Amino acid sequence: EPEVTQTPSHQVTQMGQEVILRCVPISNHLYFYWYRQILGQKVEFLVSFYNNEISEKSEIFDDQFSVERPDGSNFTLKIRSTKLEDSAMYFCASSEQGEGEQYFGPGTRLTVT
Amino acid sequence: GEDVEQSLFLSVREGDSSVINCTYTDSSSTYLYWYKQEPGAGLQLLTYIFSNMDMKQDQRLTVLLNKKDKHLSLRIADTQTGDSAIYFCADKNTGTASKLTFGTGTRLQVTL
Repeated sequence: EPEVTQTPSHQVTQMGQEVILRCVPISNHLYFYWYRQILGQKVEFLVSFYNNEISEKSEIFDDQFSVERPDGSNFTLKIRSTKLEDSAMYFCASSEQGEGEQYFGPGTRLTVT
Repeated sequence: GEDVEQSLFLSVREGDSSVINCTYTDSSSTYLYWYKQEPGAGLQLLTYIFSNMDMKQDQRLTVLLNKKDKHLSLRIADTQTGDSAIYFCADKNTGTASKLTFGTGTRLQVTL
């Protein structure tokens, strides 16, 4: 069964460093998403992406964040200068249609020290 | 803004039915979802329901939707220890590529 994959599973970085979180969505899916879950809190929407551009973004997704689909299979989230409060589990998701169900990857745990 | 609320914890005995409840505020929700998260794992889509449906059954899972009260429930029949996890409800409103708004999650503990 096709699934969304994410790498790395755990990333530790120092405050102020740039990180890139990688995702490989399900191959025939066209819509891509990033969410995050700070420990003990709700899963929060960050951004959705379709047709090589951002469809919607939340207030969390400020200028420090960017997304890219560098090739036909990967979808990345870049945090330019990490802060302690960026420590969270980051989930990538994809859907075949914009109205369809979203399938999530296993997540990348980001720890900022 | 939109809000989705769930009770935090539910404990049931193995073999009993579990009912996990969720309320939401967004009247334009088109789809409502249930996801399962096991410790250290990602979010597994369990089932979903269109907002124009009242009920959906999928093997041991039954989803009930009361659109008037904006209340969603997930019933798990014959609950097993493998069902122990956190269950999230989420809603999605109209529009392509629109976001999911998640509840706080309900931790289901299944005891022997």
